[in-house]
Amino acid sequence: EAQVTQNPRYLITVTGKKLTVTCSQNMNHEYMSWYRQDPGLGLRQIYYSMNVEVTDKGDVPEGYKVSRKEKRNFPLILESPSPNQTSLYFCASSPTKGQGTYEQYFGPGTRLTVT
Amino acid sequence: LAKTTQPISMDSYEGQEVNITCSHNNIATNDYITWYQQFPSQGPRFIIQGYKTKVTNEVASLFIPADRKSSTLSLPRVSLSDTAVYYCLVGLKSYNTDKLIFGTGTRLQVFP
Repeated sequence: EAQVTQNPRYLITVTGKKLTVTCSQNMNHEYMSWYRQDPGLGLRQIYYSMNVEVTDKGDVPEGYKVSRKEKRNFPLILESPSPNQTSLYFCASSPTKGQGTYEQYFGPGTRLTVT
Repeated sequence: LAKTTQPISMDSYEGQEVNITCSHNNIATNDYITWYQQFPSQGPRFIIQGYKTKVTNEVASLFIPADRKSSTLSLPRVSLSDTAVYYCLVGLKSYNTDKLIFGTGTRLQVFP
């Protein structure tokens, strides 16, 4: 089954404790992206990757890191989480059919709480 | 940066046609316009994508005027299960970046 998986689905952690949220897709998509979703703010892009070893900042990259060592995986790293990073996180992937086209497939989401 | 603007919420009744408009004044020449649907606690789901004029699939139609500064998602004969948040998305191609900008979403409530 074609899908994007994220782990963990739920995470409660404390300020400053490094964490990684994994994202994996099995559709051989080039484009992958991380979003956070907060009430009243919609979906905001954190980082994206056009392909292996190519990553770039989205609209809200502060406090996050990513890596793309393999095509299928795109982990999101919070080196020192803070309470303002409490949010619902979505990973997405997309084939780049052509310039400007992005039919994204989203993962189920990771609800992160930082206390 | 490109920005999209949508109505915050809309109400409708079952069986009616719903039109949701998105404004994207700074859309780039090569960008497509994509609409997504999101139910609570789920990831967004692709509905439809278009570049210009009109696109239709089995669930929706997308109307894009010639200047491409706005687009309208049309949902024919909505049902209760269409109650969701609808997002408009355009790409931002500037200096070789590929940021994607979601609108804040339109919360559609369908009543029986």
